[in-house]
Amino acid sequence: EVQLVESGGGLVQPGGSLRLGCAASGFTFSTYWMTWVRQAPGKGLEWVASIRQAGSEENYVDSVKGRFIISRDNAKNSLYLQMNSLRAEDTAVYYCASGSQMDFWGQGTPVTVSS
Amino acid sequence: QSVLTQPPSASGTPGQRVTISCSGSSSNIGSHNVNWYQQLPGTAPKLLIYSNNQRPSGVPDRFSGSKSGTSASLAISGLQSEDEADFYCATWDGSLSAWVFGGGTKLTVL
Repeated sequence: EVQLVESGGGLVQPGGSLRLGCAASGFTFSTYWMTWVRQAPGKGLEWVASIRQAGSEENYVDSVKGRFIISRDNAKNSLYLQMNSLRAEDTAVYYCASGSQMDFWGQGTPVTVSS
Repeated sequence: QSVLTQPPSASGTPGQRVTISCSGSSSNIGSHNVNWYQQLPGTAPKLLIYSNNQRPSGVPDRFSGSKSGTSASLAISGLQSEDEADFYCATWDGSLSAWVFGGGTKLTVL
């Protein structure tokens, strides 16, 4: 059974940093694209970033370029999102999703950026 | 303002057929496959339709997808109360080099 478990969310001040993690199991992690998607309170889904199987290609939404870094450790079956220079508008539930079609999703971890 | 345009709401009575539209452009729907995701209240999104009209294992055949030109549609037949959810279309946009989602459609079963 595919499982994706996000962690690392919380309350952070504007300008601060946070590192999210996503532990994967039940599939061959190293052979799948992985993605982060976020959902602001009461709003729709927004794609944040994706990373290729070996980590050789990364894509980001314009609003996080230069501030967020997506990475993965295939030996640990884990996906990460390093979030720097956080802004109030980054407040959202962050989901990790597996596969090129975002086939499976975790339950999400909430991030609140507020002073 | 989302790149893909969906109606904010849709509704139907049990047993009815409902369709949800998703409108885009040549750089996204016009040249890439469309996925649909279902988000039940308080839960994570789930892949419902991929590659325009393919259902993942376990998704009932009451759900179907189609695409024509720069638009796509999700149809739900034999509507059930448990289908109440938010539905999102998504595809790759070649001009933006980004995945784009529709704004979502809230389906109410009356």
